[in-house]
Amino acid sequence: SAVISQKPSRDICQRGTSLTIQCQVDSQVTMMFWYRQQPGQSLTLIATANQGSEATYESGFVIDKFPISRPNLTFSTLTVSNMSPEDSSIYLCSVEGTGGSEAFFGQGTRLTVV
Amino acid sequence: GDSVTQMEGPVTLSEEAFLTINCTYTATGYPSLFWYVQYPGEGLQLLLKATKADDKGSNKGFEATYRKETTSFHLEKGSVQVSDSAVYFCALKQGQGAQKLVFGQGTRLTINP
Repeated sequence: SAVISQKPSRDICQRGTSLTIQCQVDSQVTMMFWYRQQPGQSLTLIATANQGSEATYESGFVIDKFPISRPNLTFSTLTVSNMSPEDSSIYLCSVEGTGGSEAFFGQGTRLTVV
Repeated sequence: GDSVTQMEGPVTLSEEAFLTINCTYTATGYPSLFWYVQYPGEGLQLLLKATKADDKGSNKGFEATYRKETTSFHLEKGSVQVSDSAVYFCALKQGQGAQKLVFGQGTRLTINP
C-alpha cells in the first residue's frame, strides 16, 4: 500500500493568484498522477509526473496553467496558476501501488476561487 | 479514446435494499476494471477490481463481474447499509503497471434507515 499526504486540504483563493499543492508519498514511486474533480463531476487526469523529466499533460491541460515539479521519488507539487472561479475543484494526487494493481489517492485539496 | 459510462445518480435506497449501479465501458484491448468509493469528506478508496474477462471482484459485500461481451462491470450488493452512503466511481486502466485511470462520472448513493 501507499500513504499519501496532500497539503493543503482546502483553500479559498482570490482570482488571479496561484496555489501550490504538495503531495508526499511514504514510499518511492516512479510515476505520480494529478487529477481534477470538478464539482459534481468525475475525475480527469491533468498530468503524469515522472521524477527527473518533464510532466506529461493530458489534452486540455497546459504547463503554463498547471506547472508540476517532481524533485524526488516521494514528492510532487502541482501549481494552479492565475486562478479563476472555473478552477474551483478538488485536486488529487495518486500513485500506483507495488505491482501496479491498485491506485492510491491522497485526501484531495478542495480549492475555491472567489 | 477509452471511456466509462455510469448510471445517472443520485440513487436513494432504504436500508437492506438490493443495489445495482450500472457501468459500461469503451476501450481497446483488455483493460482492468475498478470500482472506487469516496465516502463523505474522504479520498478515493479501491472497493474492488477485475483484471480479465469473467473475473468477479468482491469486497465488503459488493460484487462486480467483468463482462467482455457486454463491456460491463455492474456493481451489486444484496443488502445495503446506511454506512454504504458514498459516491461510487467505475474506472478502467489499460496495461500493466502505473497507468492513468479513466473514470466514469460517479454515482452518489444515499441509504436511508
